[in-house]
Amino acid sequence: DTEVTQTPKHLVMGMTNKKSLKCEQHMGHRAMYWYKQKAKKPPELMFVYSYEKLSINESVPSRFSPECPNSSLLNLHLHALQPEDSALYLCASSQVGIGGNEQFFGPGTRLTVL
Amino acid sequence: AQSVTQPDIHITVSEGASLELRCNYSYGATPYLFWYVQSPGQGLQLLLKYFSGDTLVQGIKGFEAEFKRSQSSFNLRKPSVHWSDAAEYFCAVVPLYGQNFVFGPGTRLSVLP
Repeated sequence: DTEVTQTPKHLVMGMTNKKSLKCEQHMGHRAMYWYKQKAKKPPELMFVYSYEKLSINESVPSRFSPECPNSSLLNLHLHALQPEDSALYLCASSQVGIGGNEQFFGPGTRLTVL
Repeated sequence: AQSVTQPDIHITVSEGASLELRCNYSYGATPYLFWYVQSPGQGLQLLLKYFSGDTLVQGIKGFEAEFKRSQSSFNLRKPSVHWSDAAEYFCAVVPLYGQNFVFGPGTRLSVLP
């Protein structure tokens, strides 16, 4: 199974809502990533988890809160978002370590903040 | 400064024509090199990657890429484009002692019937 799944596919939320994005993989990868992608732009790295521990936070606002409850799951909790946070949120996974390991991407969650 | 560039923002080719998408990088040591494709509203799919060895790399969907150290380039090619190849193409690198991807700005490919 070389698939990364993400739910929901689409999400519309108000600025006062709390919602969560979910990501799952069963490839035995111990590195998982959240990216944000605006239209016509490349993905921007938000967070990296390595062995279920947060290893990189690219200065992301605290209204985004990641969680890695186990080696297969990755969540992104959203609270008090702004309209400019509307984007495609991509999850990816890979083997851990230096060496240019391929990242496997999920289909993304299209988030709209009203 | 370290960077990945894709000089062409948008390329249009006719179906059946050949294709070359350009990617240049600026790093002290040769990084690990990747090409990903993204169809509209979808995630990214790996086409091919280069770590070392043969400088001509074969990938999926009939794509290939050639690494040229002297030009710091890793250009993607396909001899005959299909309408389904219309998508966004990203060149990405991982620095030699790093783990995280650095993506180029992307090239959007349109295919004329």
